[in-house]
Amino acid sequence: GENVEQHPSTLSVQEGDSAVIKCTYSDSASNYFPWYKQELGKGPQLIIDIRSNVGEKKDQRIAVTLNKTAKHFSLHITETQPEDSAVYFCAASMRRYSGAGSYQLTFGKGTKLSVIP
Amino acid sequence: EAQVTQNPRYLITVTGKKLTVTCSQNMNHEYMSWYRQDPGLGLRQIYYSMNVEVTDKGDVPEGYKVSRKEKRNFPLILESPSPNQTSLYFCASSLSGEGNQPQHFGDGTRLSIL
Repeated sequence: GENVEQHPSTLSVQEGDSAVIKCTYSDSASNYFPWYKQELGKGPQLIIDIRSNVGEKKDQRIAVTLNKTAKHFSLHITETQPEDSAVYFCAASMRRYSGAGSYQLTFGKGTKLSVIP
Repeated sequence: EAQVTQNPRYLITVTGKKLTVTCSQNMNHEYMSWYRQDPGLGLRQIYYSMNVEVTDKGDVPEGYKVSRKEKRNFPLILESPSPNQTSLYFCASSLSGEGNQPQHFGDGTRLSIL
């Protein structure tokens, strides 16, 4: 079935370094790619999203890139801080089943990011 | 404040005892959805609703029921809970169900079925 692969599953970086999380998706019709941050005891919170007509989007220390040809997208966090420590999920809008006219958000399995002070 | 509210946040109960987890959103969103989150499996969709009185199965619907009688509420019902339904549950909503809108999540309900 349609799915989203996310790597790595865990990532440790030194404070101030950059962190990169990568996702691939299988449905070439996917057109929306959000990223969520989940802190302990909380629900996932949207941090940035990108649509298929854009190759890159930046918001302060966070950026997302999209390569539609290769069907992969990445989250980049620069100048990491301890408060960036959390689980990050990528997602892609995918057709509910082959040939379907409706879409659903399909999530990767998450990346646990630890920023070491 | 725009939010999705789930209740209860924590529940420990026994096999077979019917329970309901409530979900309410104040953003006038058409689309609402329930997910369960299990270690190593990520977020899996249980049921979703495109609008009032319109609901459909997600990827893991067995053992669950939902209803959407009002736009703001989308309760999740476990008629006869079993231990394999022990999990962390999230309700989410978005403006529409076209899959290209941000989803807003509640803070989760941790269910333990003994």
